[in-house]
Amino acid sequence: GENVEQHPSTLSVQEGDSAVIKCTYSDSASNYFPWYKQELGKRPQLIIDIRSNVGEKKDQRIAVTLNKTAKHFSLHITETQPEDSAVYFCAASRGGFKTIFGAGTRLFVKA
Amino acid sequence: DADVTQTPRNRITKTGKRIMLECSQTKGHDRMYWYRQDPGLGLRLIYYSFDVKDINKGEISDGYSVSRQAQAKFSLSLESAIPNQTALYFCATSGTGSEAFFGQGTRLTVV
Repeated sequence: GENVEQHPSTLSVQEGDSAVIKCTYSDSASNYFPWYKQELGKRPQLIIDIRSNVGEKKDQRIAVTLNKTAKHFSLHITETQPEDSAVYFCAASRGGFKTIFGAGTRLFVKA
Repeated sequence: DADVTQTPRNRITKTGKRIMLECSQTKGHDRMYWYRQDPGLGLRLIYYSFDVKDINKGEISDGYSVSRQAQAKFSLSLESAIPNQTALYFCATSGTGSEAFFGQGTRLTVV
């Protein structure tokens, strides 16, 4: 069945450094790749997404890149701040149908 | 505010008991989902529904059942709860934009 692998499971960075989280997916028909942030005790919320017709998307300090040939996509956070500390989930789906999530990355940003 | 609401928020139940988790939404979305979150395993799809007449099994449907009572309501049942069903459960919805909107979560403990 469909699978999304996410690495690393835990990431610790110094405030101001960059953080990169990587995911791979198995379903070659996937065309929608969202990233969700889950703060402690809260629900996951979308922070950025990318569709298969583009290779990169940026929103302020956050960027996502997609390599459809390799079935890889990555989240890049620059100039990290303590409030970026959270669990991040990547996901893949066909147009939002039956979204499959990665196992999550716990990001710690040390002040 | 249009939202996704889950009840109860917390529940402790005994092994063998039947329990129902309820989800309602005011977003007007057709697609609804139930996910289970366990530490290190991310969000795993239990069941999903694309409209009131459509119910589909996800990755981990064994031991669970669902009912789509209306466009706005999607319930998850555990017919005979067991301790390894202790987890955080999320309901989610999505519309044509593909983004998933999550409820606040239900923390279920089976003793």
